[in-house]
Amino acid sequence: DVVMTQSPLSLPVTLGQPASISCRSSQSLVYSDGNTYLSWFQQRPGQSPRRLIYKVSNRDSGVPERFSGSGSGTDFTLKISRVEAEDVGVYYCMQGPPWPRTFGQGTKLEIK
Amino acid sequence: QLQESGPGPVKPSGTLSLTCAVSGGSISSSYWWSWVRQPPGGGLEWIGEIYRSGTTYYNPSLKSRVTISIDKSNNHFSLKLTSVTAADTAVYYCAAGPGQFVGPFDYWGQGTLVTVSS
Repeated sequence: DVVMTQSPLSLPVTLGQPASISCRSSQSLVYSDGNTYLSWFQQRPGQSPRRLIYKVSNRDSGVPERFSGSGSGTDFTLKISRVEAEDVGVYYCMQGPPWPRTFGQGTKLEIK
Repeated sequence: QLQESGPGPVKPSGTLSLTCAVSGGSISSSYWWSWVRQPPGGGLEWIGEIYRSGTTYYNPSLKSRVTISIDKSNNHFSLKLTSVTAADTAVYYCAAGPGQFVGPFDYWGQGTLVTVSS
């Protein structure tokens, strides 16, 4: 299985400041069809997860433009250009296919 | 909309059975349907997913114990996990979406906590 490793695991950020979360995979995520299936999820306290980004850099419908994804191969990044109070929660990267899909450990974003 | 439901606590070595009711759409549509779980205070774990054709993908760590199925007559899909232990205690989420490769994670249920305890 592909192992996903996120850093940092805890991310205190001042409101209005940028934030960046790294996600590294144990092998290249370029799939046989040439696409890279790397997604980012947000889980606010007490809520279900919500996908923010799919295929590395595509924002889901309704996701604010301050969220962006980038990367290739084995190294990926989620950036928030200016953190707002509603961004507090845990962020997960997930890869797949290939199956099985696997998640990173999660990064807890909090406001300083 | 997706809504998980289940019978409540499960005893060790028993079988965990959950359903995910689909409203506002048909289980027979061109969607993939999935299950994800999260132990208390822990991270997310993908369990598996199914398409209307019956095609399934399972997490190998659970594969011998897990079955995901579709019930077209009741417009829901189900999860069955056998031989449960305390390690299977988690919030179980159902999710869905149109993309096989991008993944069935566009819509999520609110999650249901299943406790395995004697």
